[in-house]
Amino acid sequence: DIQMTQSPSSLSASVGDRVIITCRASQSISSYLNWYQQKPGKAPKLLIYAASSLQSGVPSRFSGSGSGTDFTLTISSLQREDFATYHCQQSYTTPRTFGQGTKVEIK
Amino acid sequence: QVQLQESGPGLVKPSQTLSLTCTVSSGSIRSGNYYWSWIRQPAGKGLEWIGHIYTSGSTNYNSSLKSRVTISVDTSKNQFSLKLSSVTAADTAMYYCARTVVGQTRYTWFDPWGQGTLVTVSS
Repeated sequence: DIQMTQSPSSLSASVGDRVIITCRASQSISSYLNWYQQKPGKAPKLLIYAASSLQSGVPSRFSGSGSGTDFTLTISSLQREDFATYHCQQSYTTPRTFGQGTKVEIK
Repeated sequence: QVQLQESGPGLVKPSQTLSLTCTVSSGSIRSGNYYWSWIRQPAGKGLEWIGHIYTSGSTNYNSSLKSRVTISVDTSKNQFSLKLSSVTAADTAMYYCARTVVGQTRYTWFDPWGQGTLVTVSS
């Protein structure tokens, strides 16, 4: 199975900050990488697919980049509604696997 | 906008079979190029893909659960279902159903997700 490792596991940031979350795959997955946002008690919501494609309706302050084994999710200016847990997921092969999540908290 | 909703017992006894159904609304389960997936999340932990089914009936399961999992589809009811046998406390989790979108060059992603249903395994 492909292991997905996110860093950091959690971070504290202020409104307006630039936030970068990284995701590393245990083997090359080309651009088969998705990002989801999950708020407490809610289901995950798709933000980015195919490493860098913004899902319709998602604010443009979210962006994704990377290929191969190293990927990043960037929030250019953190808003209050962005405080949540973020998950990466590879779709290169089955079983589909997720990172352990990165919790973004208010500083 | 298609919506998914999980249903089923919230409490299952150890060694019994967990059974959940996902109902798809505002869209046909047969339309488009989609798979239909189950994903679970133990409290405070990460997400685990359980498996998916295509409307033809072809399935793909996580090898870690393969011997205990069955996913089926009922296109006449616009539903797909999950059965997990011989459950233990380790199977206690929030269970989500999700549509797997198949994009260009076989890119896939999960969207949308159901709201989730909590299943507790306990006697």
